[in-house]
Amino acid sequence: EAQVTQNPRYLITVTGKKLTVTCSQNMNHEYMSWYRQDPGLGLRQIYYSMNVEVTDKGDVPEGYKVSRKEKRNFPLILESPSPNQTSLYFCASQGQGNQPQHFGDGTRLSIL
Amino acid sequence: QQPVQSPQAVILREGEDAVINCSSSKALYSVHWYRQKHGEAPVFLMILLKGGEQKGHEKISASFNEKKQQSSLYLTASQLSYSGTYFCGTETPISRLTFGEGTQLTVNP
Repeated sequence: EAQVTQNPRYLITVTGKKLTVTCSQNMNHEYMSWYRQDPGLGLRQIYYSMNVEVTDKGDVPEGYKVSRKEKRNFPLILESPSPNQTSLYFCASQGQGNQPQHFGDGTRLSIL
Repeated sequence: QQPVQSPQAVILREGEDAVINCSSSKALYSVHWYRQKHGEAPVFLMILLKGGEQKGHEKISASFNEKKQQSSLYLTASQLSYSGTYFCGTETPISRLTFGEGTQLTVNP
């Protein structure tokens, strides 16, 4: 089954404690992206990757890092999380040529 | 740049129709439409490519006016299951998908 898998689904943590949210897709998609969703603000892009070792900033990259060492994986790293990063996060992947984006189930992060 | 959606919210009775609009200040290559139920992942509805095509699936259809850089989503004879937040996403020749802020649709019995 074609899918995008995020882990964890829920996480409560404290300010400053490094965390990683993993994202994996099994569709051999070149393009992957991370979004955060806050009430009334829609889906805001954090980082995206066009292919292995090719990443770029989205609209709200501050406080986040990503890496793309393998095609299937695109982890989101919060090196020193702060309360304003409390949000619902989605990973997505997209194939080439007018294809839809496939979303993971989301990760709800609470940073105290 | 983020596309602009209107209205921000709409409340319908079951069986009524609705139109959700999406506009951009940039020349568009394609428009995507997604629906999201509360707390769930967005689900793909359809893609429209430049050329003014109109697509549809049962009672949900959409149009894309390339010259006006606008797209509209039409929901006909709405059902309770249509409730959710609708997002348009736009692509330009030089940028990947950017989403609007969403339109919250509520269908009541």
